Amino acid sequence: AQSVTQPDIHITVSEGASLELRCNYSYGATPYLFWYVQSPGQGLQLLLKYFSGDTLVQGIKGFEAEFKRSQSSFNLRKPSVHWSDAAEYFCAARGSTLGRLYFGRGTQLTVWP
Amino acid sequence: GAGVSQTPSNKVTEKGKYVELRCDPISGHTALYWYRQSLGQGPEFLIYFQGTGAADDSGLPNDRFFAVRPEGSVSTLKIQRTERGDSAVYLCASSSGTSGSETQYFGPGTRLLVL
Repeated sequence: AQSVTQPDIHITVSEGASLELRCNYSYGATPYLFWYVQSPGQGLQLLLKYFSGDTLVQGIKGFEAEFKRSQSSFNLRKPSVHWSDAAEYFCAARGSTLGRLYFGRGTQLTVWP
Repeated sequence: GAGVSQTPSNKVTEKGKYVELRCDPISGHTALYWYRQSLGQGPEFLIYFQGTGAADDSGLPNDRFFAVRPEGSVSTLKIQRTERGDSAVYLCASSSGTSGSETQYFGPGTRLLVL
């Protein structure tokens, strides 16, 4: 069965520190992978996506993610976190055809000033 | 241009009542998705429309839940005989529906509270 796991429910970092949010997937084939961010009262905003090709993908707001097939992972990184990055982050996966997304349970990011 | 919109933004109802939640997708998007997000969880898929037809309704939890998209644009999610466990944020998303390599764009959600 397809599933996405985000092992960390809550992460706290200081402003300016680096960030890595973990995501592991279980899928029959190589899935399409996504990271979304959700701020309070807001919808989900796409940060970046991986379909194929270069395993390091760049997204908006200075985020990047690396696809590692051997580890079934797609971790999100940012070299220097800003206070405005505080939000909930969701990793998601789907197959190569149109259809449903499978989401992880999310990681809540708190940023200390 | 306008994004995905959902109405109402909040809905409070009593156990056993009927509710309708509306989704207006991005203009021209043929694919439309409904998800449900319970507190502390990620969104869970409910149903996916391609045009007017439900291409995948495997996520609907039971026959109290039903969704329509009669003209291939606006969609309505209908919940009969609501239960307290139906309390959640209901998210709608749309995509162009033309390619596997496309993004789902999400609305702000409708927060449903069943008392």
